[in-house]
Amino acid sequence: DSGVTQTPKHLITATGQRVTLRCSPRSGDLSVYWYQQSLDQGLQFLIQYYNGEERAKGNILERFSAQQFPDLHSELNLSSLELGDSALYFCASSKQVTDTQYFGPGTRLTVL
Amino acid sequence: DQQVKQNSPSLSVQEGRISILNCDYTNSMFDYFLWYKKYPAEGPTFLISISSIKDKNEDGRFTVFLNKSAKHLSLHIVPSQPGDSAVYFCAASVIQGAQKLVFGQGTRLTINP
Repeated sequence: DSGVTQTPKHLITATGQRVTLRCSPRSGDLSVYWYQQSLDQGLQFLIQYYNGEERAKGNILERFSAQQFPDLHSELNLSSLELGDSALYFCASSKQVTDTQYFGPGTRLTVL
Repeated sequence: DQQVKQNSPSLSVQEGRISILNCDYTNSMFDYFLWYKKYPAEGPTFLISISSIKDKNEDGRFTVFLNKSAKHLSLHIVPSQPGDSAVYFCAASVIQGAQKLVFGQGTRLTINP
């Protein structure tokens, strides 16, 4: 158990819908990262927050957005969902920006 | 453009022998490298890391070697145990105020009794 929690574990929804994935970092960690793992793309970095502020962006679609709240939990919002958005979404956290990242168990999103 | 490559999708090793997992990268700016292990239905678990200023780092049964001139790193597991059966990902990053990990595609390691 890494100490990073993600909810929900599974999510099934339809195309065009919007969903929110939630992540609680390890106690004391200030930085949160989101990754997407799809079958054909492997683990891809989406976005990083540090102490409430966006720090780095990867190949995150405009339909996707994220934020980190004052209590340091983070949410990833996915809208206008497409079949290709079906994937595992992982959250990771670290104490500082350059520290080792510890991953949560992931949320499996299925878009039908 | 695959900046981090693990060319072996799978590897099978006898219990007690050495497992060697390989990883190549193309971006010479990468200065920090990590190995993660992943079991089904779980998130990646951090194993070991190495900075570009070193060429070797050990932690128990796990040793990571870095060859910067060849842009190659490897993970050695000695001795291999059945619980080591998992998918192993290498990852790399450029630490400049952020840490965007770039992952390889993973190698599935199976340890046979």
